[in-house]
Amino acid sequence: NAGVTQTPKFQVLKTGQSMTLQCAQDMNHNSMYWYRQDPGMGLRLIYYSASEGTTDKGEVPNGYNVSRLNKREFSLRLESAAPSQTSVYFCASSLEGAHSGNTIYFGEGSWLTVV
Amino acid sequence: TQLLEQSPQFLSIQEGENLTVYCNSSSVFSSLQWYRQEPGEGPVLLVTVVTGGEVKKLKRLTFQFGDARKDSSLHITAAQPGDTGLYLCAGTNAGGTSYGKLTFGQGTILTVHP
Repeated sequence: NAGVTQTPKFQVLKTGQSMTLQCAQDMNHNSMYWYRQDPGMGLRLIYYSASEGTTDKGEVPNGYNVSRLNKREFSLRLESAAPSQTSVYFCASSLEGAHSGNTIYFGEGSWLTVV
Repeated sequence: TQLLEQSPQFLSIQEGENLTVYCNSSSVFSSLQWYRQEPGEGPVLLVTVVTGGEVKKLKRLTFQFGDARKDSSLHITAAQPGDTGLYLCAGTNAGGTSYGKLTFGQGTILTVHP
């Protein structure tokens, strides 16, 4: 059971470089999310997609863009990486929105370092 | 912006001891979830509470949602080394601009020593 799969798991970028984090879920979920996790700050929502074809900003969207390519895939792009974007990134999905108490399933995380 | 304050931030105890982690907010949440995260992995849902005053038990873990749905607690009885990990609370709000989104607390790092 793959669940939520995200790639790459580790990446080192130079300041100003761009990259895309890929995420796919095989649970036929409607909602998908991108979070970042920093020490002492829990998880903060970057962007989310309530359903295929829609995306909305979360708490910390600056410096990021997303694409809901289809129902399965939700990618996160850093156009010009900055050291402040060094973090662990988690993709997640749920059948419907988190408001309904649906279980949210997380991927294993992507460790990104910007030097 | 809804905030969830989690305490304590760090907890180091001996095997067999009891502990309680608190999650507090000035905002009302329609539901609150508790997650456990191990190093190198994503958070895994432990429980969801949706009714004010609700108490749920999961083996040695007891979760409570405050009557006003602004706070929650996680109590572990007779902690074991396997309970070691990061515990996160997260709240959801059904209305307004927060629709469908989770707000996470900062997390509690629990270490249980044999």
